[in-house]
Amino acid sequence: DADVTQTPRNRITKTGKRIMLECSQTKGHDRMYWYRQDPGLGLRLIYYSFDVKDINKGEISDGYSVSRQAQAKFSLSLESAIPNQTALYFCAAGTAFGNQPQHFGDGTRLSIL
Amino acid sequence: GQQLNQSPQSMFIQEGEDVSMNCTSSSIFNTWLWYKQDPGEGPVLLIALYKAGELTSNGRLTAQFGITRKDSFLNISASIPSDVGIYFCAGGEAGNTGKLIFGQGTTLQVKP
Repeated sequence: DADVTQTPRNRITKTGKRIMLECSQTKGHDRMYWYRQDPGLGLRLIYYSFDVKDINKGEISDGYSVSRQAQAKFSLSLESAIPNQTALYFCAAGTAFGNQPQHFGDGTRLSIL
Repeated sequence: GQQLNQSPQSMFIQEGEDVSMNCTSSSIFNTWLWYKQDPGEGPVLLIALYKAGELTSNGRLTAQFGITRKDSFLNISASIPSDVGIYFCAGGEAGNTGKLIFGQGTTLQVKP
């Protein structure tokens, strides 16, 4: 779904580096989410935001931080990357009405050496 | 926290066969969603279910929201090679928290 765009699509970096993953959406959705995907574990929620400046921890927030400075943008940061943060990361956006479907970007494949 | 058990984990079938997968939970959900993920892409919504007992079709795909609100199934009829991918169920938490809980995924391979 081109409505949610993630950059970069791939990133290789070293342990201890600071990494920022960017996400933007064009549909004006209020809610945005960051997930991590590991083989056999499905999608796990890292952080979510229901409005600008609103930040909520998900299931696996340790080692991550986020920023929602504008409705269309939601960035994920790894302050000091470690190898077990190697994974596929997805951003999603959704409306503010109940449990409506979320729409996903195409993911960022992050490798930490 | 809440968990979904999705089964089977993987399936390898012949083209033309029907496929069935399901998700179960010990918790009640208000919404059940089914997504498909193709290699190198993000999950794409296939079917959304909002009411217990609801049965919804999308082409060759049919999904149902279990009457207990704790389970859902997805059926694919007459599979074709482009059905290959990972299928995820997701439950919307009761209380309309805006959060989804995802199953572990079912990897489907179709032999032409």
